[in-house]
Amino acid sequence: NAGVTQTPKFQVLKTGQSMTLQCAQDMNHEYMSWYRQDPGMGLRLIHYSVGAGITDQGEVPNGYNVSRSTTEDFPLRLLSAAPSQTSVYFCASSYSPSLVTEQFFGPGTRLTVL
Amino acid sequence: AQSVAQPEDQVNVAEGNPLTVKCTYSVSGNPYLFWYVQYPNRGLQFLLKYITGDNLVKGSYGFEAEFNKSQTSFHLKKPSALVSDSALYFCAVRGLSFSSGAGSYQLTFGKGTKLSVIP
Repeated sequence: NAGVTQTPKFQVLKTGQSMTLQCAQDMNHEYMSWYRQDPGMGLRLIHYSVGAGITDQGEVPNGYNVSRSTTEDFPLRLLSAAPSQTSVYFCASSYSPSLVTEQFFGPGTRLTVL
Repeated sequence: AQSVAQPEDQVNVAEGNPLTVKCTYSVSGNPYLFWYVQYPNRGLQFLLKYITGDNLVKGSYGFEAEFNKSQTSFHLKKPSALVSDSALYFCAVRGLSFSSGAGSYQLTFGKGTKLSVIP
């Protein structure tokens, strides 16, 4: 199993540009989520999904969109990048939609917005 | 809403000494608690969890955590620290959100504690 994969590993954007961060898992997990990690802030939940076709907002959803058309993939779209979105983004998945099992994390995408 | 506090930004401990990384939580209902570790430039890795049962939970790499309901704490411990334990440690609590009407679960993380084990 590849586990949770994320692409790209690094990205530099200009303010106003859009892009999609890719996330895929091959463990047939129902629950998938996106977090951003900023120094001194821990991990904050952006969006999550409890299954294909179902998504919901987390703590910091503004400026981001998600969709879940398949169990395997959960892309995160930045609509119009802003410097405040400079961060490290992690995708995670869990077997249990009720989160009684651990989440598996991808290696992260480091995004810089100029 | 649920919350997690990790009161120490950094913990320094000598190799071979016991270590403790502190975590307190707030959540409605029964707590489901997790510890994760992050090595530099890596994603988070699961260490251990408390769902129900014994208050002392054993996990990966010799770590354990003590659940204390009255103090709403879930401190991470290890009897003898290794230099390779140096990393960023996160405590997390599961909470229930009704933002979309139907309830669904989220993990809320603490801000993290940097553990440095000194040779």
